[in-house]
Amino acid sequence: NAGVTQTPKFRILKIGQSMTLQCTQDMNHNYMYWYRQDPGMGLKLIYYSVGAGITDKGEVPNGYNVSRSTTEDFPLRLELAAPSQTSVYFCASSWGDYNEQFFGPGTRLTVL
Amino acid sequence: DAKTTQPPSMDCAEGRAANLPCNHSTISGNEYVYWYRQIHSQGPQYIIHGLKNNETNEMASLIITEDRKSSTLILPHATLRDTAVYYCIVRVTGTASKLTFGTGTRLQVTL
Repeated sequence: NAGVTQTPKFRILKIGQSMTLQCTQDMNHNYMYWYRQDPGMGLKLIYYSVGAGITDKGEVPNGYNVSRSTTEDFPLRLELAAPSQTSVYFCASSWGDYNEQFFGPGTRLTVL
Repeated sequence: DAKTTQPPSMDCAEGRAANLPCNHSTISGNEYVYWYRQIHSQGPQYIIHGLKNNETNEMASLIITEDRKSSTLILPHATLRDTAVYYCIVRVTGTASKLTFGTGTRLQVTL
């Protein structure tokens, strides 16, 4: 049971480039989330999903897109990278709304 | 969701109890108190949550005051591995799982 896995661990992008951050969970959780954490700050919710085929915006969705075609996977897409998107990105999952969230190890993204 | 206030940092000697306070004076009756921690740059880790009764698990105890305006997370015997940022979060369940992380309390456990 690997829990929540994220790839890549690190990435450097140039302004305007695109990339997809991968997130997979093997716990059969319905709920999945994407957060970003800027230096010295708490986490902010980007997008979340309550089940396959269902996604919704969080606190800071601008510049990002998500999809949820399977229960296991919840990729986060950056279309036109900007320096403001330099951050650490965490994916998480949970059984339900009130259950604990399990977090992945994070992806450290730098946009130059 | 109710706003929380935590001290920015605390120190604790190894082997002693660490008591981390959280103020949530505007909490509503249907809002739960959650605690997570983040060790160095790892993903946050769930610790415990409660509504109004005190709760205990293998990691910690959560004490919520009778008026629910504040709570305390207790790590009974802190170790160096408990050095982390601790987040107190208040949220309503049934609101699509939004956890709002503040800046938390940085707990430093020392020898």
